[in-house]
Amino acid sequence: QVQLVESGGGVVQPGGSLKLSCAASGFTFSNHGIHWVRQAPGKGLEWVAFIRYDGTYTYYRDSVKGRFTISRDNSKNTLYLQMNNLRPEDTSVYYCAKEGRGYHDFWGQGTLVTVSS
Amino acid sequence: EIVMTQSPATLSGSPGERATLSCRASQSVSSNLAWYQQKPGQAPRLLIYGASTRATAFPARFSGSGSGTEFTLTISSLQSEDFAVYYCQQYNNWPRTFGQGTKVEIK
Repeated sequence: QVQLVESGGGVVQPGGSLKLSCAASGFTFSNHGIHWVRQAPGKGLEWVAFIRYDGTYTYYRDSVKGRFTISRDNSKNTLYLQMNNLRPEDTSVYYCAKEGRGYHDFWGQGTLVTVSS
Repeated sequence: EIVMTQSPATLSGSPGERATLSCRASQSVSSNLAWYQQKPGQAPRLLIYGASTRATAFPARFSGSGSGTEFTLTISSLQSEDFAVYYCQQYNNWPRTFGQGTKVEIK
């Protein structure tokens, strides 16, 4: 069965960096685009970034452009999100989500990132 | 950016009642509309895609309709396990955008 397992969350000071990982199994990882979606505590869902199945295209929401970088290693079935210059408003649970045909057909359980001094 | 607006913010219903959730897009998204269900402490789950195709994990009491800018999620007879937050999302344009959610709670 499809599994997505996020890791790498934690507490970081404003201006700091963190790298999230998402380990995938149960499907052919190299055939599918993957998204990052986040959810601030008690709030709704917010799409963050997407990477095409082969890594050749990426898309970001405006508020993270230039600060976050999505990447993937298809040999390791792993997705990454490098987050630099973090802000308090980036505090969220970060989910990786497999792309169906535009929609997110499977989600991981999420990893919490807290940006606080 | 396409703005997705859901109504109502909260829907109070009793088991067995019909529930109707609405989602409106600020511009046409064709049928590129998905619905997700999220329960407390859990990740969202895909419920509907293509505006009206139900994901295999969900029973037939869930149905989706609409196209363009107006969409509806209907739960024909609320069951205890349906009390959750429901989000719509458009995947017609970048950036992908979600509605703010409708919480379905027990009356």
